[in-house]
Amino acid sequence: KAGVTQTPRYLIKTRGQQVTLSCSPISGHRSVSWYQQTPGQGLQFLFEYFSETQRNKGNFPGRFSGRQFSNSRSEMNVSTLELGDSALYLCASSSGLTGSPGELFFGEGSRLTVL
Amino acid sequence: GENVEQHPSTLSVQEGDSAVIKCTYSDSASNYFPWYKQELGKRPQLIIDIRSNVGEKKDQRIAVTLNKTAKHFSLHITETQPEDSAVYFCAASTSDMRFGAGTRLTVKP
Repeated sequence: KAGVTQTPRYLIKTRGQQVTLSCSPISGHRSVSWYQQTPGQGLQFLFEYFSETQRNKGNFPGRFSGRQFSNSRSEMNVSTLELGDSALYLCASSSGLTGSPGELFFGEGSRLTVL
Repeated sequence: GENVEQHPSTLSVQEGDSAVIKCTYSDSASNYFPWYKQELGKRPQLIIDIRSNVGEKKDQRIAVTLNKTAKHFSLHITETQPEDSAVYFCAASTSDMRFGAGTRLTVKP
């Protein structure tokens, strides 16, 4: 079974630009969660999607948005990039069938650098 | 939403010693408590988890304990080895999963 795949792996943007990150979950998984990882801050929860619906949301500004497609693939978008958005963005998939994520399987992440 | 605090942020032990990492959570509705290990440059991976109807769980050299009344849970690693060196994250889950800030464990040979 293929694991969670995230693209792109690395990207560099400048302030004010926008970025779209993609995540393909493990086949059969319907839940996709997104996390921002920065040194010292751990894994900050962005949002979770299940069957194309945002099921939960963290405390990030509206510049951070996401969506999920019918094949469970998910994208997240960050608009009007700020220097502080530089981070590793991790996507994780799970079956999500119990109403909560359950065991999360992480991708390798997309490392975003904002200059 | 759920708030998870994790201590210590860094931990250094001698090979063969035990290591203990502690976490507290705020939402009494949390019912699933996993621990993830993240080696340098790699993705986090689940090493052990516990559900709210269980007080303790053990898997070889690692164990997790849960005190629902006090809302805290701990990871115990015995007979530590250099390959245990990594960042460890605790998490608590209700409808979504929230993580602690992580503990960087260094095992010195």
